[in-house]
Amino acid sequence: NAGVTQTPKFQVLKTGQSMTLQCAQDMNHNSMYWYRQDPGMGLRLIYYSASEGTTDKGEVPNGYNVSRLNKREFSLRLESAAPSQTSVYFCASSESPPGVLLQPQHFGDGTRLSIL
Amino acid sequence: GNSVTQMEGPVTLSEEAFLTINCTYTATGYPSLFWYVQYPGEGLQLLLKATKADDKGSNKGFEATYRKETTSFHLEKGSVQVSDSAVYFCALSVPSGSARQLTFGSGTQLTVLP
Repeated sequence: NAGVTQTPKFQVLKTGQSMTLQCAQDMNHNSMYWYRQDPGMGLRLIYYSASEGTTDKGEVPNGYNVSRLNKREFSLRLESAAPSQTSVYFCASSESPPGVLLQPQHFGDGTRLSIL
Repeated sequence: GNSVTQMEGPVTLSEEAFLTINCTYTATGYPSLFWYVQYPGEGLQLLLKATKADDKGSNKGFEATYRKETTSFHLEKGSVQVSDSAVYFCALSVPSGSARQLTFGSGTQLTVLP
């Protein structure tokens, strides 16, 4: 039972470098999400995708782009990394189609990203 | 807007002690409420949920009751174990556009000592 798989688990970048974080889920979920987790701030939503082919901004989208490649995969790209983007990034997925009783989100184990 | 306020940690308890982690919320509309748990080095896992007022979510000895009148969803456990040491997040969800988004509290670190 893989669930939500994130790669890589750890990464160190220099300021200005670019990088793509990968996420894949094998639960046939419609909705996928990217969060960042910073000390004392809980998780904040960066972008989400309600279904294949759609993406929307969350609370903190600046400096990031996303691609919903297919139903399984949702990638997060940092075009020009900045030290303020040092964080732990979590991908999540859920069934939750619009208007239907909420289903829980399932999380990956996270990517620990440091920007020097 | 939507927000979740949790009691600040860290919380340190002895094994078999009673646990309460307070959580209050503000929300537009009628939220669903959740507690997630994060063990060291792992992602978040759903611990329990409640979708309407007076519902009680429960799992692994943990309980929380959806109190609409006090806008609260406090987490309780009667007798904690060392294995309960983790970070606990309270969260709410309301429909937003084409997806339901989660709004998280800042998390409460729990350490249980043997």
